Amino acid sequence: GAVVSQHPSRVICKSGTSVKIECRSLDFQATTMFWYRQFPKQSLMLMATSNEGSKATYEQGVEKDKFLINHASLTLSTLTVTSAHPEDSSFYICSAREPNTDTQYFGPGTRLTVL
Amino acid sequence: AQSVTQPDIHITVSEGASLELRCNYSYGATPYLFWYVQSPGQGLQLLLKYFSGDTLVQGIKGFEAEFKRSQSSFNLRKPSVHWSDAAEYFCAVGAGFGNEKLTFGTGTRLTIIP
Repeated sequence: GAVVSQHPSRVICKSGTSVKIECRSLDFQATTMFWYRQFPKQSLMLMATSNEGSKATYEQGVEKDKFLINHASLTLSTLTVTSAHPEDSSFYICSAREPNTDTQYFGPGTRLTVL
Repeated sequence: AQSVTQPDIHITVSEGASLELRCNYSYGATPYLFWYVQSPGQGLQLLLKYFSGDTLVQGIKGFEAEFKRSQSSFNLRKPSVHWSDAAEYFCAVGAGFGNEKLTFGTGTRLTIIP
């Protein structure tokens, strides 16, 4: 089946630093990937849609300068949390749309803790 | 705009008992519907999906779901649950260009008692 990986699975950083999270589709090419944020015991909130070779589309209320998204290849999208603060601590999950089945497959998530 | 309602926040069932998780959606056109399962600290795994055709869809791990347009529902069922089914279950509706954007319900946490 379609597999999506994320790296790192867990990261702890100091306030003010930047953190990069990678999302890879391992066995298919994904022109479209998605980044979600999940707060404890809550649902997933779509942050942005990442399109290969073009700018990401951000959802309302998501700061594009804070959450930088790059989709440089058909198998890799990155999310960089710039100048992270404690309120950015969360579980970040990516997904990749498998074009043949029109279905999103999710990565295992990244737990970000900002001290 | 599309929306998904999962009215049950938490459900507890005995191992071996049957299960039904409710999902209602709101969407102006024919929806793409999905059920995902999430174990603690993990990503989401696709259980099943409905795009068109037979309204009763079979998924992995013995789950099935039935699309009922008249009720705007897509309830998830399993005839006999196993302890390993304890997890968080999310219903989602696909919308937008190419049905790409997913809107998730708030999730139902399933607890299994021996």
